[in-house]
Amino acid sequence: AQSVSQHNHHVILSEAASLELGCNYSYGGTVNLFWYVQYPGQHLQLLLKYFSGDPLVKGIKGFEAEFIKSKFSFNLRKPSVQWSDTAEYFCAVNAGNSGNTPLVFGKGTRLSVIA
Amino acid sequence: GAVVSQHPSRVICKSGTSVKIECRSLDFQATTMFWYRQFPKQSLMLMATSNEGSKATYEQGVEKDKFLINHASLTLSTLTVTSAHPEDSSFYICSAAGGTGHEKLFFGSGTQLSVL
Repeated sequence: AQSVSQHNHHVILSEAASLELGCNYSYGGTVNLFWYVQYPGQHLQLLLKYFSGDPLVKGIKGFEAEFIKSKFSFNLRKPSVQWSDTAEYFCAVNAGNSGNTPLVFGKGTRLSVIA
Repeated sequence: GAVVSQHPSRVICKSGTSVKIECRSLDFQATTMFWYRQFPKQSLMLMATSNEGSKATYEQGVEKDKFLINHASLTLSTLTVTSAHPEDSSFYICSAAGGTGHEKLFFGSGTQLSVL
């Protein structure tokens, strides 16, 4: 079974600071990897996803993530955060080649961006 | 626009009553739907997986007689919380999946259930 670890529970950054949120997964087979964002009072929105190909994935709102297979990691990055990036960020994984399989989520990282 | 519609967004009910939550895929056929539960400040926990026309598969620890899932069509799945108790109060989220390569995987906006 898959599992996902997000190491930071709460990250506080000033505007314009760079962001990197860690995500490690545990699964021996092919995986699909996702980052979702949940703004206060809103539903989950997909930031980016990796299925195959280039391990550096560009997402919306200036986010990117890099899949490093040897490290079982899929860290999320953004060069310069804005106050509007304040939200909860979830890393998720599902099995890559077995049809529609459910996502397994990490516990989430709360990002607070201060002016 | 939203491709998965979840309704209602919020429901308050008395203990002992049943609540039905609907999840609709709006512009694609969802062969599989997933139901998750999210407690405050915690992650989403998978409750069950349902494939259209067949019985749902429940995760360990989830009571299938309490959380009834119906996936009668390719665009609609329902979760019914039967005889709700205060401990069932939570945020319930559905996810609909279609296609063969995970290219269609969308989440509903969630339902906040409060049982008094």
